[in-house]
Amino acid sequence: KAGVTQTPRYLIKTRGQQVTLSCSPISGHRSVSWYQQTPGQGLQFLFEYFSETQRNKGNFPGRFSGRQFSNSRSEMNVSTLELGDSALYLCASSLVGNYGYTFGSGTRLTVV
Amino acid sequence: QQPVQSPQAVILREGEDAVINCSSSKALYSVHWYRQKHGEAPVFLMILLKGGEQKGHDKISASFNEKKQQSSLYLTASQLSYSGTYFCGTEHRAFCAGNNRKLIWGLGTSLAVNP
Repeated sequence: KAGVTQTPRYLIKTRGQQVTLSCSPISGHRSVSWYQQTPGQGLQFLFEYFSETQRNKGNFPGRFSGRQFSNSRSEMNVSTLELGDSALYLCASSLVGNYGYTFGSGTRLTVV
Repeated sequence: QQPVQSPQAVILREGEDAVINCSSSKALYSVHWYRQKHGEAPVFLMILLKGGEQKGHDKISASFNEKKQQSSLYLTASQLSYSGTYFCGTEHRAFCAGNNRKLIWGLGTSLAVNP
């Protein structure tokens, strides 16, 4: 079965711009989480969505937002980009309950 | 709140064993283990739940010590394919009501297996 699909794979944006990243989970996976990965900070939790509702949010500024659609696809948006937002953004989906996550290949965002 | 992984890096020769530890300062509900190879997405290895049994597949297994709030990943007779960065992710009671999920990750343990 198809894995978690993230688009685009790479993005280069200028400071102050905004960006939207997309994630299509594995069919049947209703929980979608987003993570930011950087060499210094490791994996940082952004938010988790289930049934179009944000269930949990990490310690990121309000410039980071997301949403989930009725088909479980999710998007995250970062407004007013800063240089420090450069990172690999990973989306992960899972079944409901105590299951592991399946990660997408990520979107590599570079802010210049 | 971030779990502490040790060691930070390990270099092995093929066939050697390794243990990676993940310790939390808060009570644990579950511990996830993942492996990430350079330029790739993290891949799920296993999840251990509070009160659950030790898990494993092939030559990779893990344990969960609730009293010590610690999990250990055991890599036996390592293979070249085991190389990568191993992450533990922890879930704590407060975040496990209903479907709420929030993994807090360790900084990873880099494992290199050489021929």
